[in-house]
Amino acid sequence: EAGVTQFPSHSVIEKGQTVTLRCDPISGHDNLYWYRRVMGKEIKFLLHFVKESKQDESGMPNNRFLAERTGGTYSTLKVQPAELEDSGVYFCASSQVRQGMTEAFFGQGTRLTVV
Amino acid sequence: DQQVKQNSPSLSVQEGRISILNCDYTNSMFDYFLWYKKYPAEGPTFLISISSIKDKNEDGRFTVFLNKSAKHLSLHSVPSPPGDSAVYFCAASAWRANQGGKLIFGQGTELSVKP
Repeated sequence: EAGVTQFPSHSVIEKGQTVTLRCDPISGHDNLYWYRRVMGKEIKFLLHFVKESKQDESGMPNNRFLAERTGGTYSTLKVQPAELEDSGVYFCASSQVRQGMTEAFFGQGTRLTVV
Repeated sequence: DQQVKQNSPSLSVQEGRISILNCDYTNSMFDYFLWYKKYPAEGPTFLISISSIKDKNEDGRFTVFLNKSAKHLSLHSVPSPPGDSAVYFCAASAWRANQGGKLIFGQGTELSVKP
């Protein structure tokens, strides 16, 4: 079974440009999360999808960030326009929806560098 | 407002000795706790979890203890080099409060295992 896959693994863009990150969750996982780690600090929650619906987007930094999950499968996170402080590693995670608590599985991350 | 804290940024342990990683939390709504391990340029890998209805959980080489009154948990293991040298993250979620699987992470502890 394939794990959570993220594309690209690394992106370098100039300030003001647009970047789109993609996440393919584990097949059958309806929960999909985006997280970000900046400058080696803690990993911070950005948002949570259940299927195609946004369950919680309380961690999104501002309206330059737009996440979508059309069809409830893969998700994209677009940053437009990118700023220097957006640099960091963006992780995607997925988990099953079921009764009881369950762990989330993470992708390898996309390292975004804004110059 | 750091709700999950790992006060030791780094820890060194001799091979064959018990490693104890600590984590403190402030939010009494947290009811599910997880430990993840992370290598450079990779995503976090799930190790072990514990529900707030338990005070101990064992899984293979890892044991997690939860002290709810102290809002403290710890991860015990006997690590082996070099594979267990990594950054270990503590994470918590508030499932019953309908927070879904949103995880709040600590800052991580870098464990170095010496042969």
